[in-house]
Amino acid sequence: DAKTTQPTSMDCAEGRAANLPCNHSTISGNEYVYWYRQIHSQGPQYIIHGLKNNETNEMASLIITEDRKSSTLILPHATLRDTAVYYCIAHTTGGTSYGKLTFGQGTILTVHP
Amino acid sequence: DTAVSQTPKYLVTQMGNDKSIKCEQNLGHDTMYWYKQDSKKFLKIMFSYNNKELIINETVPNRFSPKSPDKAHLNLHINSLELGDSAVYFCASSLTDMVRNTEAFFGQGTRLTVV
Repeated sequence: DAKTTQPTSMDCAEGRAANLPCNHSTISGNEYVYWYRQIHSQGPQYIIHGLKNNETNEMASLIITEDRKSSTLILPHATLRDTAVYYCIAHTTGGTSYGKLTFGQGTILTVHP
Repeated sequence: DTAVSQTPKYLVTQMGNDKSIKCEQNLGHDTMYWYKQDSKKFLKIMFSYNNKELIINETVPNRFSPKSPDKAHLNLHINSLELGDSAVYFCASSLTDMVRNTEAFFGQGTRLTVV
């Protein structure tokens, strides 16, 4: 998996959009950008993933730059329950990796009332 | 309907003991994993099984022995427990698809404390 770089921590006001950046300048052509989050004392939870195009689901939106060297996860209306560590992972489930995920330090997102 | 379930949730044991953690998934996935999260919160893969066969073994001491009786279960047995084994252990599963990238589902974790 390509290395990713994220800010250590971020704050966001409740109800506002939370924009979490991620750099993955060495990402290879077959690696997707995955986002997981870990709420305190729980297991990691899948959020979203994408290859080239922007993606949106019920949880978040993922914006990937055209050169694929960086991306932004957007939580459109952050709530207190979105306080968690957010992990950006460049990853492919194909080949011999068999879905192995390489977690970095992630970004601690704190949502304030 | 818990997708990936681990038991026990908490485990406190003395050094030198042997213990097991069980994991079951009801998602029909063919690949299961064990991850370890240490006190510094780093999540690191330990093992991966695909269709009951060991695929990934990330230089884990051989005191750790995973066992997969079937595709839905991956248990972790630890012999001669040491203080440094204290951590949270997460089981996960995913569907291996060489064409379509899929996501992994994690259990709630087992907090192991060795005293």
